[in-house]
Amino acid sequence: NAGVMQNPRHLVRRRGQEARLRCSPMKGHSHVYWYRQLPEEGLKFMVYLQKENIIDESGMPKERFSAEFPKEGPSILRIQQVVRGDSAAYFCASSPGTVSNQPQHFGDGTRLSIL
Amino acid sequence: GDSVTQMEGPVTLSEEAFLTINCTYTATGYPSLFWYVQYPGEGLQLLLKATKADDKGSNKGFEATYRKETTSFHLEKGSVQVSDSAVYFCALSRLDNDMRFGAGTRLTVKP
Repeated sequence: NAGVMQNPRHLVRRRGQEARLRCSPMKGHSHVYWYRQLPEEGLKFMVYLQKENIIDESGMPKERFSAEFPKEGPSILRIQQVVRGDSAAYFCASSPGTVSNQPQHFGDGTRLSIL
Repeated sequence: GDSVTQMEGPVTLSEEAFLTINCTYTATGYPSLFWYVQYPGEGLQLLLKATKADDKGSNKGFEATYRKETTSFHLEKGSVQVSDSAVYFCALSRLDNDMRFGAGTRLTVKP
């Protein structure tokens, strides 16, 4: 099953540490999206990337958060100096990008807990 | 900007009851419309989609019709089961492949 793969599934960090979340898109997909979901809330768009390019980062906090999608390897969402408020589920989605109006396919998420 | 508004939950129904979850959208152009379902501890799964006006998407007994005149894409199921308990998200996709999601509606079906 070559679905969207996210790892780790669960990540625990202490305040001030760095968190790195990884996402491998579906085979053949060149567009990656990151979302954050707080408990009992909906999805909040964070960032949209294509290979080596950030297309839209309007939903991502300006400080401490960064995302990349290198030519080789998975997309990485990096959170520096984590705080309690960063605790959430982070979902990655991918789409082919070759045809418009295509649905996104989601991974099972990374649940980040900040102690 | 483009957006999706769906009815607030939670929605609680008895097994075999009729389900409607309302969804309306605001968009320029002609977006594609989707319903996703999220089971506890999992990511979102595509439930059904419609790509143009008057299209009806259907899957697993769920249906939704793309209504351009009312800018709506309401989700319906004639007889819900306990296993349908989940959070349902309405979404639209734009030409640039970006998507906008509604806030989600939690459905609980009781036996």
